[in-house]
Amino acid sequence: GENVEQHPSTLSVQEGDSAVIKCTYSDSASNYFPWYKQELGKGPQLIIDIRSNVGEKKDQRIAVTLNKTAKHFSLHITETQPEDSAVYFCAASDSSASKIIFGSGTRLSIRP
Amino acid sequence: GAVVSQHPSRVICKSGTSVKIECRSLDFQATTMFWYRQFPKQSLMLMATSNEGSKATYEQGVEKDKFLINHASLTLSTLTVTSAHPEDSSFYICSARDANRAGEKLFFGSGTQLSVL
Repeated sequence: GENVEQHPSTLSVQEGDSAVIKCTYSDSASNYFPWYKQELGKGPQLIIDIRSNVGEKKDQRIAVTLNKTAKHFSLHITETQPEDSAVYFCAASDSSASKIIFGSGTRLSIRP
Repeated sequence: GAVVSQHPSRVICKSGTSVKIECRSLDFQATTMFWYRQFPKQSLMLMATSNEGSKATYEQGVEKDKFLINHASLTLSTLTVTSAHPEDSSFYICSARDANRAGEKLFFGSGTQLSVL
C-alpha cells in the first residue's frame, strides 16, 4: 500500500521568510496530492492540491511542486505570516481515491 | 466550498457508556465518508470508510463492534463508540467527498474530542 513520508516534523521560520515542507510517496499509482492545514482542536482544511499531470501549482503565497519520477512533492509558503502557524499534512491517493494516506505532519511556527 | 458539520465538538463520558458522533455534509451529497482518529501531535489514522446504504469498510486493527458506523443517508454518517474506555479517548474526525463533483477532494469536519473518564 501507499506510504507517505513527510519532513521536517517541526519547522520554525522568521516572519516574512519562506517555508518548505517535503513529502515522498511510494505508490507510483498515486496521482492526487493534497495539502492540509490543521489548527489546534480543528479538522484539517485543504489549502492546495496537485494532480500528477501537473508539475507545479500556485495559489497566492502557497505553491506545490511535484516530481513524479522521484515520487516527491513539496509545499512552499512565501512571505510567511503569524497566521500560517499550524500543522501541515501532505497526502496521496490514487485515481480511485478510495483512500487518502497522510504524512506524519509538520508543525510550522512563525517567529515574529 | 463544501461544508462538513461534525457534532459534538467535545464530549466527556464515563467508562462503559456509548458515545455517538455525527458527521453531516451540509451542501452536498456524500456517498462516501471517512472516519479518522488522531492522537496528540500525530497524524490522522483512517479507521473506516462509510458507504451510504451499505456496511462500512474497516481498516485493519479497528474493531467494527467497538466503533459502529451508520451511513443511512447521503448527508449523514454516524460513529458510535460503544462501551467506551479511557484508551478510546482521542480526537475523531470525519471527512466526505462530494458525490456530484468529479475529483478526489475531501472535506473535513471540525473534529470531536472524546474524553473517557
